[in-house]
Amino acid sequence: DADVTQTPRNRITKTGKRIMLECSQTKGHDRMYWYRQDPGLGLRLIYYSFDVKDINKGEISDGYSVSRQAQAKFSLSLESAIPNQTALYFCATRDTNTGELFFGEGSRLTVL
Amino acid sequence: SQELEQSPQSLIVQEGKNLTINCTSSKTLYGLYWYKQKYGEGLIFLMMLQKGGEEKSHEKITAKLDEKKQQSSLHITASQPSHAGIYLCGAVPNTGNQFYFGTGTSLTVIP
Repeated sequence: DADVTQTPRNRITKTGKRIMLECSQTKGHDRMYWYRQDPGLGLRLIYYSFDVKDINKGEISDGYSVSRQAQAKFSLSLESAIPNQTALYFCATRDTNTGELFFGEGSRLTVL
Repeated sequence: SQELEQSPQSLIVQEGKNLTINCTSSKTLYGLYWYKQKYGEGLIFLMMLQKGGEEKSHEKITAKLDEKKQQSSLHITASQPSHAGIYLCGAVPNTGNQFYFGTGTSLTVIP
């Protein structure tokens, strides 16, 4: 099984719908991140969390919210999806010893 | 992120050719990471550089971090189709905890 698991892997939804992307990890890392990827824009940070009580906004947090339910779980929500939120979303954990990020397989979201 | 600029944005090379991808920051970096992504898939860690002047190699890929720790290059020797994908540099630009990525370089290797 993958160390960082994202669900769903693919989702098509309509404008205005609420969407939740879930991320779970078995690496035991405290730090978790959500990124979105758009062609030509690389990865942009949405939110990050250092523990259950520590949530921080990234560079593009507007229109998104997150929940850190446990050390192993970090969910990203779109309260009212819009078409320009169509993107590939990645969850990652970070090893504080090496600094390395470990990524999930990605969740492709299409908002019609 | 605007803090890390990668060049070129895309690259098409003939198999067997050498190539270089650059990653530049306006701020001193506390760690520079290179990742590779196959199209539409997750990211795979390649290597990490922390010290000014540091150089690391893995198979045919060599990464360097300049002395000022503001620029890194990734060099691929004798490219192969398996090298195709998107290469991203990532960094922690300060003692904070945000981890930023560059805009990515799309590499195509023509057999």
